Amino acid sequence: GAVVSQHPSRVICKSGTSVKIECRSLDFQATTMFWYRQFPKKSLMLMATSNEGSKATYEQGVEKDKFLINHASLTLSTLTVTSAHPEDSSFYICSARAHGSSYNEQFFGPGTRLTVL
Amino acid sequence: AQSVAQPEDQVNVAEGNPLTVKCTYSVSGNPYLFWYVQYPNRGLQFLLKYITGDNLVKGSYGFEAEFNKSQTSFHLKKPSALVSDSALYFCAVRSFYNTDKLIFGTGTRLQVFP
Repeated sequence: GAVVSQHPSRVICKSGTSVKIECRSLDFQATTMFWYRQFPKKSLMLMATSNEGSKATYEQGVEKDKFLINHASLTLSTLTVTSAHPEDSSFYICSARAHGSSYNEQFFGPGTRLTVL
Repeated sequence: AQSVAQPEDQVNVAEGNPLTVKCTYSVSGNPYLFWYVQYPNRGLQFLLKYITGDNLVKGSYGFEAEFNKSQTSFHLKKPSALVSDSALYFCAVRSFYNTDKLIFGTGTRLQVFP
């Protein structure tokens, strides 16, 4: 149980285009999903927390207009990188917390490698 | 300030030998502590957690971790390392002020040599 999927696993796009990444909880309902960015040889940086049916909460320094997050259902959250630039190239990982979880155990997706040319 | 420190960027160990990956934390209140493992180009996999109770926590793949309150440490251990254990390991603590948030260490790369 507690499987989280991400799609696509890898995407290459041209500078200026927008890219959407999906995060799904496959066998549980996730009231809260998290989006992280991981730079090479660095830890995970929390970008935003999204709760189903409400606006995402962005961490300091993360541009909400550039990284659009939608958590439309209890099993799906999407991250859209708008007008992507090469500096947005990174490994993006989502995680999900199960509904009713009493502590913050997060289940992570396999990640999406974004390369912006 | 709340933080997690993993003082070693890399740990090298021979297969069959015991391994330790170090983690210390600084957080208000009682800590909720986690260890995750990441294989290349993959997301994080949960290994184990400490919430309360026995200080020695057993997790997946033969790993265990010992919570030491006086030393504010939560070191990851395994009695006998395998080459397949080679990966990136992250220690994390739940934020006291925002229980939705996990604070991660910078990661330790474990390299097990045959």
